[in-house]
Amino acid sequence: NAGVTQTPKFRILKIGQSMTLQCTQDMNHNYMYWYRQDPGMGLKLIYYSVGAGITDKGEVPNGYNVSRSTTEDFPLRLELAAPSQTSVYFCASSYGRGSLRDEKLFFGSGTQLSVL
Amino acid sequence: RKEVEQDPGPFNVPEGATVAFNCTYSNSASQSFFWYRQDCRKEPKLLMSVYSSGNEDGRFTAQLNRASQYISLLIRDSKLSDSATYLCVVTPFGNEKLTFGTGTRLTIIP
Repeated sequence: NAGVTQTPKFRILKIGQSMTLQCTQDMNHNYMYWYRQDPGMGLKLIYYSVGAGITDKGEVPNGYNVSRSTTEDFPLRLELAAPSQTSVYFCASSYGRGSLRDEKLFFGSGTQLSVL
Repeated sequence: RKEVEQDPGPFNVPEGATVAFNCTYSNSASQSFFWYRQDCRKEPKLLMSVYSSGNEDGRFTAQLNRASQYISLLIRDSKLSDSATYLCVVTPFGNEKLTFGTGTRLTIIP
């Protein structure tokens, strides 16, 4: 199993450009998440999904959009990129909730994004 | 007060020593607690879940103190490979409410 796969690993955007960060998982997890991690800060939840067709905002959703058309894929869309979106982005998945086992997060390897 | 607070370190510890970190949380409704490990420029990986009664996994011991609202991680006989940032993670219920600490950086010195 590949686990959680994110692409691209690195990207430089100009202000105002848009892009999609891809995330796919092969563990049949219902729950998927997008986090961002800024230097010296904890991970912040951007959006999450509890199943195909269901998404919801996390703590820092402004400037981002998501969709979940399949169980496997959870792309993150940046519209009108801004310097404040320079960060490391992590996609993650989990079985669900209700037990410590279910709540274990499996992370992708991350995307380093710079907006200049 | 931050929801989850950790001493950022760095902790520079000689190989073979014992080191302990604490993490305090402010939400008394918190139910699930975890320690994740993050290597430089890598993704976080689950190190241990923290059970109410405390738990041990090899050289690692995790404890929960609900009265004082903190969790701890003890590493015995530290190895060079233990060098990493250790993230404290807390939630009242469900991963959408997970709160990550900023991490404690540990460097094991030969």
